[in-house]
Amino acid sequence: KAGVTQTPRYLIKTRGQQVTLSCSPISGHRSVSWYQQTPGQGLQFLFEYFSETQRNKGNFPGRFSGRQFSNSRSEMNVSTLELGDSALYLCASSLIPGGGSYEQYFGPGTRLTVT
Amino acid sequence: SQQGEEDPQALSIQEGENATMNCSYKTSINNLQWYRQNSGRGLVHLILIRSNEREKHSGRLRVTLDTSKKSSSLLITASRAADTASYFCATDNAGNMLTFGGGTRLMVKP
Repeated sequence: KAGVTQTPRYLIKTRGQQVTLSCSPISGHRSVSWYQQTPGQGLQFLFEYFSETQRNKGNFPGRFSGRQFSNSRSEMNVSTLELGDSALYLCASSLIPGGGSYEQYFGPGTRLTVT
Repeated sequence: SQQGEEDPQALSIQEGENATMNCSYKTSINNLQWYRQNSGRGLVHLILIRSNEREKHSGRLRVTLDTSKKSSSLLITASRAADTASYFCATDNAGNMLTFGGGTRLMVKP
């Protein structure tokens, strides 16, 4: 089975721009979660999607949004980029929602640099 | 904000030695998981221990959980250079989303 894939792997954007990151979960997995990893704040939960519905959202501003498609693929969008948005964005998929009760399988991440 | 603290923040040992990492958390949990991350890459799931379990083994890994002390430990026995990585504990509480600790950076010298 193919693992979780994330595209692009690396991205450089300028302050004020917006960005869209993509995540394809493991086949058959319907829950997708997004995390942000920075040296200062560590790993932080962004949001979780299941059946095209956002089930949980972390403590991030409204500039961070996401969606899930009927094939379980997910995208996250960050608008009006700030320097502090530079981070590794990780996507994880699991069989069912409430990923903590089951393994979450992580993708390789998208490294976003905002200049 | 992070749920827990990991101790130590960094650990350097020789190949063949055991490595012990500790994790403390603040609120009640459904379960606790340990992950490994190699140099800024994705996270690899190592082991999940439920709140009603006290100890779990997987290969060279041993995890303990003490819910009364709100703490867990990960023991890696007979460490190898390939174990060099950052190790994170993550808790699942009522929100059904993982909350990670700050991680322990493990260096295993050949």
